[in-house]
Amino acid sequence: DAGVIQSPRHEVTEMGQEVTLRCKPISGHDYLFWYRQTMMRGLELLIYFNNNVPIDDSGMPEDRFSAKMPNASFSTLKIQPSEPRDSAVYFCASSYYRNTEAFFGQGTRLTVV
Amino acid sequence: AQTVTQSQPEMSVQEAETVTLSCTYDTSESDYYLFWYKQPPSRQMILVIRQEAYKQQNATENRFSVNFQKAAKSFSLKISDSQLGDAAMYFCAYKPGANSKLTFGKGITLSVRP
Repeated sequence: DAGVIQSPRHEVTEMGQEVTLRCKPISGHDYLFWYRQTMMRGLELLIYFNNNVPIDDSGMPEDRFSAKMPNASFSTLKIQPSEPRDSAVYFCASSYYRNTEAFFGQGTRLTVV
Repeated sequence: AQTVTQSQPEMSVQEAETVTLSCTYDTSESDYYLFWYKQPPSRQMILVIRQEAYKQQNATENRFSVNFQKAAKSFSLKISDSQLGDAAMYFCAYKPGANSKLTFGKGITLSVRP
């Protein structure tokens, strides 16, 4: 398996623009997670899905952030409008069952200028 | 709420020596899982080792082992025969058995001196 695939690897955008991050989980995994990593706050869980259904979105910082999982092989995290403080590395991860470890993608480094 | 604390921001070890990275956690759950992840400069998050709370035996994976002290809520990682490739950030993580919410500590930067 190719592992969790995220795109793009790097994204630079201007403040106010819409940003969409994409994730393809490992085939057969039924949990999908979105994390944000910054120097100040470390790794924060933003939202996670089980069988394509959002289970916990309490980590989503603001209404500007939204996430979808239209099917088992694809998820998006959207920021609209983006702000400089959204600059971070965003990770997607997936796992097979609630008791197993999560496998991470290589992350998207987002820079909002 | 569960918390994971890694109090040491940085550590350094001589190549071939042994180093121990500390982690404590706070939970009222009895069923949970603990993990150590490694993040090298490539930023890929790599699972190093996992421990189920119900298991008394400490987990080991080659040069990596843990010291799991359930009563003290302590979960340290020991790296033996350190190698240059071990240089990375290491994150301790907690997951309750009832759900999949994985909570990370702040991480520790490990450097390996040749």
